Amino acid sequence: AQTVTQSQPEMSVQEAETVTLSCTYDTSENNYYLFWYKQPPSRQMILVIRQEAYKQQNATENRFSVNFQKAAKSFSLKISDSQLGDTAMYFCAFMNWGSSNTGKLIFGQGTTLQVKP
Amino acid sequence: DTGVSQNPRHKITKRGQNVTFRCDPISEHNRLYWYRQTLGQGPEFLTYFQNEAQLEKSRLLSDRFSAERPKGSFSTLEIQRTEQGDSAMYLCASMRATTDTQYFGPGTRLTVL
Repeated sequence: AQTVTQSQPEMSVQEAETVTLSCTYDTSENNYYLFWYKQPPSRQMILVIRQEAYKQQNATENRFSVNFQKAAKSFSLKISDSQLGDTAMYFCAFMNWGSSNTGKLIFGQGTTLQVKP
Repeated sequence: DTGVSQNPRHKITKRGQNVTFRCDPISEHNRLYWYRQTLGQGPEFLTYFQNEAQLEKSRLLSDRFSAERPKGSFSTLEIQRTEQGDSAMYLCASMRATTDTQYFGPGTRLTVL
């Protein structure tokens, strides 16, 4: 069974600074996707960034980038130039994309990020 | 693309009552997922549909839970004889089976007194 672990329950960063959120996962699959989702307080979950396991190049989306280390099963999120609107709970998630692809997401426990002015 | 909608947004009920939640996915998304999220935790998979067929159910989904997706459009999640442990946020998400990205609704927050 796949598991996703986020070892940082809470983090804080000053506005305009850079912060990195950690995520490790465990799987025996070779074909999968990894995601970071953001859940602002009392608002719905939105996708921040996604990474296909077969791609070595790390995904980037504007101020958000990942460091994907497949052998180490590590998938960290870097937020550059942090903004107050980045304050949210961040979830790392795994999706198997093998032959038994159901599309279900397996989430980590989440990291609460507070951006301070 | 109007997004995934869920109703009601909040539900307060007494222990032992039945409740039903509705999810309207993004049109043309043939897969629909239900997750449960307790306070301060990540969402946990409950069940999913491809079109009208319910293809997988988590062991978290006890006999008191039932989900349907008639005609492959909206879905309902019913909890019978609610217990205090059912208090949680129930999230719905949808996607096309050929893609990898799920889109989430705002959730239904259930409080069982």
